[in-house]
Amino acid sequence: DADVTQTPRNRITKTGKRIMLECSQTKGHDRMYWYRQDPGLGLQLIYYSFDVKDINKGEISDGYSVSRQAQAKFSLSLESAIPNQTALYFCATSDWGAGRNNEQFFGPGTRLTVL
Amino acid sequence: GQNIDQPTEMTATEGAIVQINCTYQTSGFNGLFWYQQHAGEAPTFLSYNVLDGLEEKGRFSSFLSRSKGYSYLLLKELQMKDSASYLCAARGEGTALIFGKGTTLSVSS
Repeated sequence: DADVTQTPRNRITKTGKRIMLECSQTKGHDRMYWYRQDPGLGLQLIYYSFDVKDINKGEISDGYSVSRQAQAKFSLSLESAIPNQTALYFCATSDWGAGRNNEQFFGPGTRLTVL
Repeated sequence: GQNIDQPTEMTATEGAIVQINCTYQTSGFNGLFWYQQHAGEAPTFLSYNVLDGLEEKGRFSSFLSRSKGYSYLLLKELQMKDSASYLCAARGEGTALIFGKGTTLSVSS
């Protein structure tokens, strides 16, 4: 089974609709992240969470909100979707410890299309 | 401000060696990462440098110069399956990564 899973994998919605993307992990990591990827723009950080009680804005948080329901779950919401939020969304997790690289592990991605 | 620069595209032939450069500017520095991403797939971790010098891992090596804000990824004995996007990412203060826009490498036979 995959260590980091995302649901749904694909979603088509209409402008103005509320959308929730979900991320679950079995790696036991405390730290979780949401990114969006647009062609030619690389990965941009939306929100991140260092533990259940911690939420931080990333580079492009406007129009998005998140909820860290448990150590293993981190969901991303678009309260009122707009077409320029059409993108590939990735969830990632990482451990944290001194002297380690603490690399991020990515989920398979959710392709969201807003019409 | 924080910024990562890397070339947009590179091409090479099977069996060759290619070097992908990356320059970075971050608030603080806690490591430089390289990820590989095939089209439509998730990025996967390739390498990590936090001290100056070369880290070698099979056909892939990564170099870091902190004083110059510079890193490169060296791919040897290129194979067709190495055709992918290569993402340079720097970790500044905290643990969030700043990613470059990626370098798309095309390997031809």
